[in-house]
Amino acid sequence: DTGVSQDPRHKITKRGQNVTFRCDPISEHNRLYWYRQTLGQGPEFLTYFQNEAQLEKSRLLSNRFSAERPKGSFSTLEIQRTEQGDSAMYLCASSLDGWQPQHFGDGTRLSIL
Amino acid sequence: GENVEQHPSTLSVQEGDSAVIKCTYSDSASNYFPWYKQELGKGPQLIIDIRSNVGEKKDQRIAVTLNKTAKHFSLHITETQPEDSAVYFCAASIGDKIIFGKGTRLHILP
Repeated sequence: DTGVSQDPRHKITKRGQNVTFRCDPISEHNRLYWYRQTLGQGPEFLTYFQNEAQLEKSRLLSNRFSAERPKGSFSTLEIQRTEQGDSAMYLCASSLDGWQPQHFGDGTRLSIL
Repeated sequence: GENVEQHPSTLSVQEGDSAVIKCTYSDSASNYFPWYKQELGKGPQLIIDIRSNVGEKKDQRIAVTLNKTAKHFSLHITETQPEDSAVYFCAASIGDKIIFGKGTRLHILP
């Protein structure tokens, strides 16, 4: 069991560029979640998948954000036309199923210049 | 709206003493309450959780209590050690997702 893996760990980009993050959940975990965490705050829910189906999206998730989990295994989170306010830690978590404990990766820290 | 309040925001205790962190939640339908520990540069790590059908759960030096009537739950760490220094988050389930508190930075003083 290698835990939840996120790549890259850090991303620095200029405002207006597109970025994509990857999350590999714990093997056989059906649920995959994306969160955003800013300094001094707890993680904020963005969206989650049950296998390949995206079941819920937060109002925080503007139309510049899109997430996929095409084969029900790894997931990608893309941010288009990045803005200063997108600077944050993006965390991925997975769980065996609903109502089960969520296990987090170490996140991707995004910095917008 | 959906809300989890956490207090205090910062807590300093002498090594060997106990630490208590308290949370309240707003949604009476919440039935799962995990606690996470986050160290610098790392993701949150689940340390203990409790479901609404029990009032208390203990794992070595860590215990969690839940009062569903008052919508309160608390984390208790006994015999604190230097490695307990971190940020601790409480959370409550809202439907299929969990909502986090703003965190408590715990300092263990030598």
